[in-house]
Amino acid sequence: GQSLEQPSEVTAVEGAIVQINCTYQTSGFYGLSWYQQHDGGAPTFLSYNALDGLEETGRFSSFLSRSDSYGYLLLQELQMKDSASYFCASPGGQNFVFGPGTRLSVLP
Amino acid sequence: DTGVSQNPRHKITKRGQNVTFRCDPISEHNRLYWYRQTLGQGPEFLTYFQNEAQLEKSRLLSDRFSAERPKGSFSTLEIQRTEQGDSAMYLCASSLIRGSTGELFFGEGSRLTVL
Repeated sequence: GQSLEQPSEVTAVEGAIVQINCTYQTSGFYGLSWYQQHDGGAPTFLSYNALDGLEETGRFSSFLSRSDSYGYLLLQELQMKDSASYFCASPGGQNFVFGPGTRLSVLP
Repeated sequence: DTGVSQNPRHKITKRGQNVTFRCDPISEHNRLYWYRQTLGQGPEFLTYFQNEAQLEKSRLLSDRFSAERPKGSFSTLEIQRTEQGDSAMYLCASSLIRGSTGELFFGEGSRLTVL
């Protein structure tokens, strides 16, 4: 089976940098994905790490360490519109398992 | 629009009634997933299709739930004898097999309220 853990809430101010961590336990591992979901909206894909290291996409970066079963999403130059829930997810085997989500609140 | 489409967007029903949701995935996508999401929680995996074959079904899914994907195109999720605990957002997502980037494309969801 698979399980992923994330902090439930994170708060930061506009312009700051925030890191959202994810630890996982899986019987088969095929990488780690990150999704953003605004209230009332659908989850949207942000990034995917198949291998160890850092992937950068604009203001967002994602990191994976397979040896530590750990990854994180880094959001830089926070904007108010980044207030949302963020989910790590593992496309393991046949299914695709999501973490419980981290609610990010960006304050002015 | 070539995104994932779900219908209906909202459904209110009385306990004990049957409901059916439809998902039209992105046309070239082989894989189709159904998830359930309640407020403040992550999407909970329900079932998964590759083309028309249902390859995995969550152990959490009772036998009141059934899903089909005839001809490997659209999919339906039926809930029989609904219970108040079935109230949730039902999300459909699709993806390609080849060249997987770990990306699922989600529809806007079907919100079920069981009274």
